[in-house]
Amino acid sequence: DIQLTQSPSFLSASVGDRVTITCRASQGISSYLAWYQQKSGKAPNLLIYAASTLQSGVPSRFSGSGSGTEFTLTISSLQPEDFATYYCLHLNVYPLTFGGGTKVEIK
Amino acid sequence: EVQLVESGGGLVQPGGSLRLSCAASGFTFRSYWMAWLRQAPGKGPEWVANIKQEGDERNYLDSVKGRFTVSRDNAKNSLYLQLNSLRVEDTAVYYCATAGAWGGGRYYFDYWGQGALVTVSS
Repeated sequence: DIQLTQSPSFLSASVGDRVTITCRASQGISSYLAWYQQKSGKAPNLLIYAASTLQSGVPSRFSGSGSGTEFTLTISSLQPEDFATYYCLHLNVYPLTFGGGTKVEIK
Repeated sequence: EVQLVESGGGLVQPGGSLRLSCAASGFTFRSYWMAWLRQAPGKGPEWVANIKQEGDERNYLDSVKGRFTVSRDNAKNSLYLQLNSLRVEDTAVYYCATAGAWGGGRYYFDYWGQGALVTVSS
């Protein structure tokens, strides 16, 4: 199975900060990667798919990049509503697997 | 507006069975791959199974193969997950999701339901 390792697992940041989260795959997954945001008690929300395509309705401060084994999610200017947990998900081969998550909290 | 509403969750003893349903509306259900994902308390999400538009291809997480069965009824705009031989470690919120965001050769899970809690305990 392909393992996705997210870093950091936790980060503390302030409103307006630029935030970068990394997702590393245990083997190459081309660009078959998505990023999700999850708030407490809610279902995950798709932010980015195919590594860098912004999902409709998602603010442009979110961006994704990478291919192969290393991917990043960047929030250019953190807003109060962005404090949440973020997960990457690969769709390269079965089983589809998620990263361990990055919790973004207010500094 | 896309809506996915899960039902059928509850408390069941180890070894027991449950059937989850997902009622879909607001989109052409028969045109999309559909999936079930789950999230154990305090853990990250986990993909469980998915099913092709006509039901002629199904894929499962290894730990549920032979115990869970995904199916769909396109006439009723409904997705199902039959859970048999349940284990304590199957305790989770189960979500249905559409695979509707096409990008570079894959369909990504774009809409999710609110989830149905399955608790396996004696």
